[in-house]
Amino acid sequence: DIQMTQSPASLSASLEEIVTITCQASQNMGNWLAWYQQKPGKSPQLLIYGTTSLADGVPSRFSGSRSGTQYSLKISRLQVEDIGIYYCQQASSTPPTFGGGTKLELK
Amino acid sequence: QVQLKETGPDLVQLTQTLSITCTVSGFSLTTYNVHWVRQPPGKGLEWMGTMWNGGGTDYNSAFKSRLSISRDTSKSQVFLKMNSLQTDDTAKYFCARQKVTTYYFDYWGQGVMVTVSS
Repeated sequence: DIQMTQSPASLSASLEEIVTITCQASQNMGNWLAWYQQKPGKSPQLLIYGTTSLADGVPSRFSGSRSGTQYSLKISRLQVEDIGIYYCQQASSTPPTFGGGTKLELK
Repeated sequence: QVQLKETGPDLVQLTQTLSITCTVSGFSLTTYNVHWVRQPPGKGLEWMGTMWNGGGTDYNSAFKSRLSISRDTSKSQVFLKMNSLQTDDTAKYFCARQKVTTYYFDYWGQGVMVTVSS
């Protein structure tokens, strides 16, 4: 199975700040990576797929990138509604696996 | 619009069998694959298995032979059954639709929280 190591586990940031979350894959998986946002008590919502493509309705302040087997999610100007837990997911091979999550809080 | 809704018990006794139904609307089970993902309280997401649009299934080996997924296309329902439940099976169970030609999950149900009681 491909292991996804996500960091940091938690992050406190101020409004309008730039936030970056990373996922390190245990092996090469191309651009087969997604990011999800989960708010308390809710189901995950697809934010980004194919490493860089925004899902429908996702604000342009979210972006994704890749360097080798390291993947990053960037929020360019943090908003209140961005608070939640973020998960990466590899979609390269079965079983699809998720990172451990990053809890994003307001400072 | 696309919707998925899980229904199932809140509480299951230790060693018993869990049965959850995912009822979908807004799309056809013969066109889209539907997956099951679970999340223990305060923890991350774990993929369990899938019902392929052609009727086949695939399972996470972590669940060995405990897990079974089936469907009734006439009712737009996908079923999860897992036996020999243990306390660490306490989790919220989600069904999710797979985005076409990818392994991403573009729509999720609200989930059903299942507690395994000893």
